[in-house]
Amino acid sequence: SQQGEEDPQALSIQEGENATMNCSYKTSINNLQWYRQNSGRGLVHLILIRSNEREKHSGRLRVTLDTSKKSSSLLITASRAADTASYFCATDIQGAQKLVFGQGTRLTINP
Amino acid sequence: DGGITQSPKYLFRKEGQNVTLSCEQNLNHDAMYWYRQDPGQGLRLIYYSQIVNDFQKGDIAEGYSVSREKKESFPLTVTSAQKNPTAFYLCASSRGGSSYNEQFFGPGTRLTVL
Repeated sequence: SQQGEEDPQALSIQEGENATMNCSYKTSINNLQWYRQNSGRGLVHLILIRSNEREKHSGRLRVTLDTSKKSSSLLITASRAADTASYFCATDIQGAQKLVFGQGTRLTINP
Repeated sequence: DGGITQSPKYLFRKEGQNVTLSCEQNLNHDAMYWYRQDPGQGLRLIYYSQIVNDFQKGDIAEGYSVSREKKESFPLTVTSAQKNPTAFYLCASSRGGSSYNEQFFGPGTRLTVL
């Protein structure tokens, strides 16, 4: 299975609610990154959290990292219809010089 | 505008043909990457290049080839040896070889085999 596995695979919520997505991985990492992809488009980088960090914020985004559990979560607060997209975690595995992407979470925000 | 461009946006190929997908960046990035994305799936790494005139195989390199003759350009050739090439192909670049840096993605090329 892939290094990064995301949960849930799909999430549908009402506008204004918070959305939480989780990512689990298997091996030691240097950092973990979250990306967003609108349908049929390229990916856009959202946030990077290093292995020695536990939490990071960027606007309405909050990312946590628990290296003991090998997991990360992405929280989007006060969701908007424009947040509808797929969200991917990507892990920078120690010594690998490349990112490994998860399968993604498809987020739908209903107006 | 600085960025990364891919062409064409849509590409149709007959079985047995080689096709080349273009990727150009004007971000002065050293590293460039090619990924394949199948419907509802994540990205899988095909090839990557940390510096001009050097590149490494990713996880699914069979049936693909690349070149890196210029810093700005990293074309991908899908050969007839690739048995199931229909997919969405994404090119990306980053500042340096270390993956501490975020990757910037192009808009993608959707390849369909007829």
